[in-house]
Amino acid sequence: NAGVTQTPKFQVLKTGQSMTLQCAQDMNHEYMSWYRQDPGMGLRLIHYSVGAGITDQGEVPNGYNVSRSTTEDFPLRLLSAAPSQTSVYFCASSRGQADSPLHFGNGTRLTVT
Amino acid sequence: AQKVTQAQTEISVVEKEDVTLDCVYETRDTTYYLFWYKQPPSGELVFLIRRNSFDEQNEISGRYSWNFQKSTSSFNFTITASQVVDSAVYFCALRTPYNQGGKLIFGQGTELSVKP
Repeated sequence: NAGVTQTPKFQVLKTGQSMTLQCAQDMNHEYMSWYRQDPGMGLRLIHYSVGAGITDQGEVPNGYNVSRSTTEDFPLRLLSAAPSQTSVYFCASSRGQADSPLHFGNGTRLTVT
Repeated sequence: AQKVTQAQTEISVVEKEDVTLDCVYETRDTTYYLFWYKQPPSGELVFLIRRNSFDEQNEISGRYSWNFQKSTSSFNFTITASQVVDSAVYFCALRTPYNQGGKLIFGQGTELSVKP
């Protein structure tokens, strides 16, 4: 069972470059989300989606875009990378119920120089 | 607004000691869901337990137990007879009702170090 798959695992960008972090799940989950993890700050929600075609902002959305054209995929786009976006990024999914636990991918470590 | 506070940033214990990780939450919702996750040094996030706001029964699973008290807005996690393999960062989280987005809000995490 693949679960939630994130690519790439590691990425180094220069300031101003753009890139897309990929996230795919094979559990037919309606809900998908992106978090960033920084030391001492826990995991902070960037964007989330309750279903295909529906996205909304989380706690720290600035500098990031998302789209959800299919149930399976939820890519996160950095339009113009900044050093403040250096972080570990996690994608997660769950069934469309609030009592359903989130299943997390293994994370993407992004460094912006 | 919802908020989760884990006041203990780091805890260090010696193997076989019991340890309690504190979690305090804030929400105005009457229905909500609380979770604990474990993040071992390898970095993945592992789901441990879920508790509904209307179910205040404590739960025990092996060496792990959870104490949910709505009166104090707390959902504490106790590891009995800790082991080195318990060393990890532990996160408490609160999930909003799905009609409000179903967002999972995390605390800052508690890093537990169990020394042999």
